[in-house]
Amino acid sequence: DADVTQTPRNRITKTGKRIMLECSQTKGHDRMYWYRQDPGLGLRLIYYSFDVKDINKGEISDGYSVSRQAQAKFSLSLESAIPNQTALYFCATSAGLAEKETQYFGPGTRLLVL
Amino acid sequence: KQEVTQIPAALSVPEGENLVLNCSFTDSAIYNLQWFRQDPGKGLTSLLLIQSSQREQTSGRLNASLDKSSGRSTLYIAASQPGDSATYLCAPYRGKFYFGSGTKLNVKP
Repeated sequence: DADVTQTPRNRITKTGKRIMLECSQTKGHDRMYWYRQDPGLGLRLIYYSFDVKDINKGEISDGYSVSRQAQAKFSLSLESAIPNQTALYFCATSAGLAEKETQYFGPGTRLLVL
Repeated sequence: KQEVTQIPAALSVPEGENLVLNCSFTDSAIYNLQWFRQDPGKGLTSLLLIQSSQREQTSGRLNASLDKSSGRSTLYIAASQPGDSATYLCAPYRGKFYFGSGTKLNVKP
């Protein structure tokens, strides 16, 4: 089984709808992240959490919210989806190892907002 | 804010060629720099991690170098194979990861 899973893998929704993307991990990591990827723009950080009681905004948090339900679960919500939120969304985890820090990514959720 | 640039944006080479992917970053105060591989429809996988005190790392046919003072890293792929076709992203790290937009590599049989 994959260490970092995301559901759904693909989603089509309409403008104004509320949707939730879910992420689960079995790596036992405290740190979890949500990114979006747009063509030609690389990955941009939306929100991150260093433990269950910690939530931080990334560089593009407007229009998004998150919930850290447990160490293993981190959900991303779009309260009222808009077409420019069409993108590929990735969840990632890390252990917090300073110079040896790396991230483990889920397979991504492809979201289309009509 | 860390800015990361990767050149070229896309590269197409015949099988067997040696190639170099370039990454530049604006803030040299980093803990490490990593190179990731992204396959279509899949997440990112870490290929090589160079700590700030290191100059290079090697894994099989891959060699990554880091010149922190000049804000540059290169990924060298020796004897390229069609299975190397993917997008390669570099990401300097200090508290958070900052990703370049990647180099899309196509290795033709």
